[in-house]
Amino acid sequence: GAVVSQHPSRVICKSGTSVKIECRSLDFQATTMFWYRQFPKQSLMLMATSNEGSKATYEQGVEKDKFLINHASLTLSTLTVTSAHPEDSSFYICSARVGQGGTEAFFGQGTRLTVV
Amino acid sequence: AQSVSQHNHHVILSEAASLELGCNYSYGGTVNLFWYVQYPGQHLQLLLKYFSGDPLVKGIKGFEAEFIKSKFSFNLRKPSVQWSDTAEYFCAVNVVGFQKLVFGTGTRLLVSP
Repeated sequence: GAVVSQHPSRVICKSGTSVKIECRSLDFQATTMFWYRQFPKQSLMLMATSNEGSKATYEQGVEKDKFLINHASLTLSTLTVTSAHPEDSSFYICSARVGQGGTEAFFGQGTRLTVV
Repeated sequence: AQSVSQHNHHVILSEAASLELGCNYSYGGTVNLFWYVQYPGQHLQLLLKYFSGDPLVKGIKGFEAEFIKSKFSFNLRKPSVQWSDTAEYFCAVNVVGFQKLVFGTGTRLLVSP
């Protein structure tokens, strides 16, 4: 299947700093990528849908100014957690679809963010 | 509200036991349905999917799922589990025509040898 690569896999940052997470589709072009957050022992919660060349669509309750999403090319989307706080510590996962609509989504390996 | 429900949060089985994990959704339109598995320390992998056609779909590693439209269900089954099936299983739904993929709460399966 298609490969989605996420970087870094783990990051520890100080409270108040910003962290950028990259999501790349390695062998296909993804006009749409998705960013999820997974709390321990819980399901994946969709944070936002990232659209190439346009603004991301955020889910209700997700602060767009805190979680900045940029999808500058067909193979790269970035999530920046700005002014991180300990409660932002979580597992962040991106995914991308091959093609449009209801085709299969492929997932990155996730990024474990720890804010100290 | 539209949602995806997995009623079993934790399941413990012995090897060779049969498995059935429930998944129900509340979306009214045409849907695509997925089961994903997350092995410890690994990323999500697709087990199987249903788009249309035969409601009984077969996936990898001996898993299958049946779409019952009247019950809004897409239960996952495996006749005989193995220790290596220990993982977390997620049901996911995509409404045709929309981009979002919504996940259920997940079921943590522990298979004892």
